[in-house]
Amino acid sequence: ETGVTQSPTHLIKTRGQQVTLRCSSQSGHNTVSWYQQALGQGPQFIFQYYREEENGRGNFPPRFSGLQFPNYSSELNVNALELDDSALYLCASSLGGYQETQYFGPGTRLLVL
Amino acid sequence: SQELEQSPQSLIVQEGKNLTINCTSSKTLYGLYWYKQKYGEGLIFLMMLQKGGEEKSHEKITAKLDEKKQQSSLHITASQPSHAGIYLCGAAGGQGAQKLVFGQGTRLTINP
Repeated sequence: ETGVTQSPTHLIKTRGQQVTLRCSSQSGHNTVSWYQQALGQGPQFIFQYYREEENGRGNFPPRFSGLQFPNYSSELNVNALELDDSALYLCASSLGGYQETQYFGPGTRLLVL
Repeated sequence: SQELEQSPQSLIVQEGKNLTINCTSSKTLYGLYWYKQKYGEGLIFLMMLQKGGEEKSHEKITAKLDEKKQQSSLHITASQPSHAGIYLCGAAGGQGAQKLVFGQGTRLTINP
């Protein structure tokens, strides 16, 4: 059984650019959640995908968008990058049930210059 | 919206000592998760508590949920260098919601 994987591990972009982060869910999991963690803070919920449909969204602008594929892997896309988007982006996978435990990947560290 | 506050924000203890981290919620807790994070890395699931009064243990770590107080505590007995890291509590969003709301984390340092 493989755990949650994310790519790339690190990324440097400039303001205004676009970025795509990728996540492979744990075997058997059909739900993927994305979180943003700024330095020294707890993770903030961005959105969740369940069986290829968005299933809840946090307080993030529309330039944060996502996709989930038939194999339940997922992408997070951020357009028009801002300096404040610099953070650790975490992906978590789970089974699609009430209070199912979310298992996190190692994260992608994004730096926006 | 629900908020979680952790205390203390940082903790330095001598190896072998016991310690407690608290997590207090602004709203009713439907489920409380504890995770550990090494600096700049992903979160490692420790345990989940669902019912008031529930207590779970894994190795030297024990977590309790006081539903009436909307609070959870994480207790480490005889701390070891491997316990060092950031401990995060996360609350389930309520009925049918799977998003987690996290506290700001407690940074634990173990001195030899």
